[in-house]
Amino acid sequence: GQQLNQSPQSMFIQEGEDVSMNCTSSSIFNTWLWYKQDPGEGPVLLIALYKAGELTSNGRLTAQFGITRKDSFLNISASIPSDVGIYFCAGQLGAGANSKLTFGKGITLSVRP
Amino acid sequence: NAGVMQNPRHLVRRRGQEARLRCSPMKGHSHVYWYRQLPEEGLKFMVYLQKENIIDESGMPKERFSAEFPKEGPSILRIQQVVRGDSAAYFCASSSGPGPPGAEQFFGPGTRLTVL
Repeated sequence: GQQLNQSPQSMFIQEGEDVSMNCTSSSIFNTWLWYKQDPGEGPVLLIALYKAGELTSNGRLTAQFGITRKDSFLNISASIPSDVGIYFCAGQLGAGANSKLTFGKGITLSVRP
Repeated sequence: NAGVMQNPRHLVRRRGQEARLRCSPMKGHSHVYWYRQLPEEGLKFMVYLQKENIIDESGMPKERFSAEFPKEGPSILRIQQVVRGDSAAYFCASSSGPGPPGAEQFFGPGTRLTVL
């Protein structure tokens, strides 16, 4: 089946630093999404990307949909303690029966004050 | 606006018992997805339902698992004769339409199932 690759499994940064996370796939997706999950909670949608090459921002977050449709990245600028959590990328093929999400394994972000 | 609601948040069952997990989608959403998450893993798709219809159940085990989304009431994920391997967090997501754009999936807080 399709898989999304996220690495490394964990990242440790200093408060105020920027951080970039990659997500790659062996096959094409037509929509890319980034979610953040806090312990004991469900994933929260951060950014959705619909077009190859698209660059979208949401506050301190910026994400891009790779032009090959096989990758995406998420940037967090000027990190703060509440950025701690697990960041998942997810790919979606299309609508209807193709609308299920395929997730990466996630990257756990730690922010040192 | 209330988000996606799931109950119970925690469920403990002994091997062989039945587990029923409930999901109420966001107001105005008629599309529901169920995902399962094992420790330190990403979420894995199980089933996609629209009111009274199963659209895609390709990720759901053929035996012991079933899902429904009746005309009235919440969506139910039912696991019969639970085994220890069923222990996981089960998440429900809802959306306003059958896919992008503009029909993003929003997740509930999950039900953490523990099988003793």
